[in-house]
Amino acid sequence: EVELTQSPGTLSLSPGDRATLSCRSSQTVYSDYLAWYQQKPGQAPKLLIYGSSTRATGIPDRFSGSGSGTDFTLTISRLESEDFAVYYCQQYGNSITFGQGTRLEIK
Amino acid sequence: QVQLVQSGAQVKPPGASIKVACTASGYTFTGYYIHWVRQAPGHGLELVGWINPNSGDTRYRQKFQGRVTLTAARSISTVYMEIHNVTSDDTAVYYCARDFETLDYWGPGMLVTVSS
Repeated sequence: EVELTQSPGTLSLSPGDRATLSCRSSQTVYSDYLAWYQQKPGQAPKLLIYGSSTRATGIPDRFSGSGSGTDFTLTISRLESEDFAVYYCQQYGNSITFGQGTRLEIK
Repeated sequence: QVQLVQSGAQVKPPGASIKVACTASGYTFTGYYIHWVRQAPGHGLELVGWINPNSGDTRYRQKFQGRVTLTAARSISTVYMEIHNVTSDDTAVYYCARDFETLDYWGPGMLVTVSS
């Protein structure tokens, strides 16, 4: 299985800050089939980014994804209060596996 | 609009079987695979398997092979996941999700608790 490692485990920032979340794969992600999800307590995950950098429908442009091969990044340009949540990366180039998540908390 | 509705929470004793339903609406049911993902309390996301509702073809993650069965009822746009011989390790929220590029729409989740 392709293993995804997310860092940091927890990120403490303030509204208005820039957030940078990392996802590293144990092997090259086929065709950069890498997605990012946001999950809030008691809710299902919500798709933010797919294909490494394509925003899903309705996702604000403060969310951006980048990277290729084994290293990927989710950037939130200016944090808003509703952005504080857990974020998961997921690869879908070789079956589906998820990272362990990054918790984005208010500082 | 696309919706995935899941059946209600269940509590089962160890060794029992559970069957979870996921009913789709707002799109062509047979046009998209449905995946099942679970999340144990306080933990991350884990793929269980997926089904092609059109053909009935299924794939399971290796750890679930032989213990999980996915089926589809096209007439009622519903996919079912059955887990046999459950243990406390199967206590989790189970989500169904539609596959377009990747998992674009998710059901609300269904809590399964395995307890004697």
